[in-house]
Formats: sequence, structure tokens, C-alpha cells
Amino acid sequence: GQQLNQSPQSMFIQEGEDVSMNCTSSSIFNTWLWYKQEPGEGPVLLIALYKAGELTSNGRLTAQFGITRKDSFLNISASIPSDVGIYFCAGQGGSEKLVFGKGTKLTVNP
Amino acid sequence: GAGVSQTPSNKVTEKGKYVELRCDPISGHTALYWYRQSLGQGPEFLIYFQGTGAADDSGLPNDRFFAVRPEGSVSTLKIQRTERGDSAVYLCASSLTSGGQFFGPGTRLTVL
Repeated sequence: GQQLNQSPQSMFIQEGEDVSMNCTSSSIFNTWLWYKQEPGEGPVLLIALYKAGELTSNGRLTAQFGITRKDSFLNISASIPSDVGIYFCAGQGGSEKLVFGKGTKLTVNP
Repeated sequence: GAGVSQTPSNKVTEKGKYVELRCDPISGHTALYWYRQSLGQGPEFLIYFQGTGAADDSGLPNDRFFAVRPEGSVSTLKIQRTERGDSAVYLCASSLTSGGQFFGPGTRLTVL
């Protein structure tokens, strides 16, 4: 089945630093989404990408839909302590179901 | 506005028992999804409803799992003869006919 490889698995950074994480797939996706999950909560949608090559921003977050349709990245600029959490990429192919990566756990040291 | 809500937030049951998990989607969202998330993993798809019908149930692990959405709004995930391996967080999401899926807080199921 479809699998997503998300990296890095975890990141430890200082407040104010920029962060970059990415996701690659063996299959083509039509939509890429990025979610953030905090303990005891469900994933929260951050950014949705619908077109190959698309670059979209949401505040300090920027994400891109790779031109091959098999990858996506998420950047967070000027990190703050509330950015702490687990970030998941998710791809959507020919059906409505989402395929998720295993997540990137972000820790921000103040 | 109200987001996706799920009840109960936690459920502890004994092996072999039957459980029901409820999901209230965002008002007006026609699509509803169930996912299961194990510790340290991303959510895994179980089933997807468009309106009242299950459009894709390919993620249900076996016939002990069943879900309904009789009026096209609230959905119930039903698990028969629970096993310890069923322990996980069960997440529900909803969306308009297409677009991003919005998740509820999940139900943490523990099977003793």
C-alpha cells in the first residue's frame, strides 16, 4: 500500500530558529496536507495543497507541493514555544482517504 | 463554531466486550471519516462515509468492526468482541464534499 516517509523523526531547536521537515512518497498524490497534533488532541489542519508546485503560507508556516507530486515540505520560521507538537504530513490520492506519515516531533527550547 | 465532537473521550473495557464510539461532525459536512491512531504512529484510515452510505470501508481491519451513519450526520463506530490489540485512539474527521479533513479530539479505547 501507499506509504509516506516523513523526516526528521524528531527535532530539538532553540526558540527563534527556522524549522524544515519533509515528506516523500512512492506514489503520486493529488493533495498534500500538513497537520499539527498536541497531546490528547486530534490533528489540527495547518495547510492544504492541491496543485503540483503550489507554495502556500499560513502565518509563519510555508508548505510546498512537490512538482513530482511525490513529496512536500513544511517550513516554520522564527519558532516559538507554542510550536511544540507532532507535525504530520498526509497525502490524498485517487480516493478520499488520507495516508499519514509517522510524524515529526518538534521540541522548542526557550 | 462547533468542531467535530467525539464521545466518550475515554473508554476502558474488558476483552470480549462490545463498544460503541460516537462522532458528531461539523454541521453541513457531508463526508465523515474514521481513523485509528496507535502510539507513535500517524492516523490510519478505517472507513469513509459520503452522506449515509459507506463509500470506502477498505480500512476496517476485520468483521468485528462496523460503522453506521443512518441520517447522514452522527456516526457510530462499533467494535464487537474487543481484543487487546484494538486499544488505540479512534479519530473522527469530517469535510465538505472535498477539501481538508477536520478532526475531532478522539476517543482513547483501552481493552484490558
